[in-house]
Amino acid sequence: DAKTTQPPSMDCAEGRAANLPCNHSTISGNEYVYWYRQIHSQGPQYIIHGLKNNETNEMASLIITEDRKSSTLILPHATLRDTAVYYCIVRGFAGGTSYGKLTFGQGTILTVHP
Amino acid sequence: EAGVTQFPSHSVIEKGQTVTLRCDPISGHDNLYWYRRVMGKEIKFLLHFVKESKQDESGMPNNRFLAERTGGTYSTLKVQPAELEDSGVYFCASSRTGRNEQFFGPGTRLTVL
Repeated sequence: DAKTTQPPSMDCAEGRAANLPCNHSTISGNEYVYWYRQIHSQGPQYIIHGLKNNETNEMASLIITEDRKSSTLILPHATLRDTAVYYCIVRGFAGGTSYGKLTFGQGTILTVHP
Repeated sequence: EAGVTQFPSHSVIEKGQTVTLRCDPISGHDNLYWYRRVMGKEIKFLLHFVKESKQDESGMPNNRFLAERTGGTYSTLKVQPAELEDSGVYFCASSRTGRNEQFFGPGTRLTVL
């Protein structure tokens, strides 16, 4: 799986949008971009994933550049409960769905402050 | 539906002892994964079951670790004998075949003294 690079930490004001960047310049055509987060003392939580089109769900939006070498996770209205470590993960797929292990990096510590 | 559950939530043992961790995946999830985070390090993959078969055990650190999933339901991870460096948080995750997201349990915090 391709390696990802994320800033170690970011701050965001409550109610504002949080934009978390991720570089994955060596991503290959059969690899998805996934985002997970880990709130303190809990297990990682799936947020969103995408292949090449932008995606949106009830938690966040994922913007993937046209060359697929980077992406941005957007939390549109951050709350204090969004304070967590956010992981950008690239994973291959077969048969239309991803499979196998997730490779976690250091992630980005997002702190949402009042 | 109930989420992934893990037992125990905490375990404190002495070096050389044996510990068995249990994971109950979400009902109907054929895929079960074990991960761990040791102090100061990243979350690392240990192994992946598809039903009762080991699909990928490339992350198992050594032969002191034994994972089983008899009957394709719950899984156990046994550490025997435990060493100091085994201390950390062990996570279990499950997923449905054909779906992309993995659902994680709360983890078991293992402390080896």
